[in-house]
Amino acid sequence: GQNIDQPTEMTATEGAIVQINCTYQTSGFNGLFWYQQHAGEAPTFLSYNVLDGLEEKGRFSSFLSRSKGYSYLLLKELQMKDSASYLCAVRDSNYQLIWGAGTKLIIKP
Amino acid sequence: DTAVSQTPKYLVTQMGNDKSIKCEQNLGHDTMYWYKQDSKKFLKIMFSYNNKELIINETVPNRFSPKSPDKAHLNLHINSLELGDSAVYFCASSQDAPDLGVLTFGAGSRLTVL
Repeated sequence: GQNIDQPTEMTATEGAIVQINCTYQTSGFNGLFWYQQHAGEAPTFLSYNVLDGLEEKGRFSSFLSRSKGYSYLLLKELQMKDSASYLCAVRDSNYQLIWGAGTKLIIKP
Repeated sequence: DTAVSQTPKYLVTQMGNDKSIKCEQNLGHDTMYWYKQDSKKFLKIMFSYNNKELIINETVPNRFSPKSPDKAHLNLHINSLELGDSAVYFCASSQDAPDLGVLTFGAGSRLTVL
């Protein structure tokens, strides 16, 4: 079967760095996506990796290792507004998105 | 200027009723989707649709049916509502490959079945 694993919840301190991991087992791979979802709101697209390595976008970076079936989202200089759920999703060989259950990130002052 | 808009935002109804949720996108995207997000916050794909193909998640009961009058609209009809249908339903859209996966979501429609 297809499976995406992420931690259910993480806590970090304002101003610090946090890494949210995602491991996947899917039938084929055509890209990995990270989305942010604030409570009561719609998910919004953050980043996309299709090749191994690190993609940086301001305070957010996403890393991919296809051989290990592993990705992480790195958030630097955490702000209170970064409190949200972070969803990992993988596009399989049929170009269907397989979603993880999301990681709820709690930022403390 | 909302990119993906869905109505209503909140819907409270009785078991057994039939209801619809409407969705419209003004992004010119090729593919539209309906997702269900339950209380555990897990996003489940229900349907994806473009002008070529309707893909139905086989776990979706046939009480749920998508209707697309044109490329910019994908409505969701639900017959004989059940308690377990209570959830937030998100409409989304995306361009065709290579951007499939970069989804723009609507604000969600919270359905409560009593």
